[in-house]
Amino acid sequence: KAGVTQTPRYLIKTRGQQVTLSCSPISGHRSVSWYQQTPGQGLQFLFEYFSETQRNKGNFPGRFSGRQFSNSRSEMNVSTLELGDSALYLCASSDPIFGNEKLFFGSGTQLSVL
Amino acid sequence: TQLLEQSPQFLSIQEGENLTVYCNSSSVFSSLQWYRQEPGEGPVLLVTVVTGGEVKKLKRLTFQFGDARKDSSLHITAAQPGDTGLYLCADYKYNFNKFYFGSGTKLNVKP
Repeated sequence: KAGVTQTPRYLIKTRGQQVTLSCSPISGHRSVSWYQQTPGQGLQFLFEYFSETQRNKGNFPGRFSGRQFSNSRSEMNVSTLELGDSALYLCASSDPIFGNEKLFFGSGTQLSVL
Repeated sequence: TQLLEQSPQFLSIQEGENLTVYCNSSSVFSSLQWYRQEPGEGPVLLVTVVTGGEVKKLKRLTFQFGDARKDSSLHITAAQPGDTGLYLCADYKYNFNKFYFGSGTKLNVKP
């Protein structure tokens, strides 16, 4: 099976712009989660989508949004970028089966906000 | 909110040395997982431990789960440069349908 694919790999934006990141999960996985990773804050949960519905949301401002399509692919959007949004954004897919929850991560999108 | 504390934060050792990293929780783990993240990549699942007192081995890596299921350790024997990375512990909470991650231990193994 192909792994989790995230595009683009690197992104440079300026303050005030918006950005859309894409994630293609492992075939058959219905859940996609997004995380923000920074050296200071570690891995912070953004949100999780399951069968096109947002099932969980972390503590991030409304500038961060996401969606999931019928083929399980997911996108996340950050509007009005701030310098502090510079981070590695990781997407993880899973096929939640009780007692066998595992996350499969993509390589991430490194976002730099100048 | 569950808090997962990992220690040490950073570890720099020579090839061939042994090391242990720790993960402690403010509440009982439901299902503890260890991930390793190499530079420039996403985390990769190493192991899942569920039962208190459980010990799992993966080549030179030994994972222990505390009897009370509130702590875990990862021991690496004869570390190699390929072990370099960020080691993360995580717990999945069924009532929240959510993973909680520790802040990680950054390991550097020098040749």
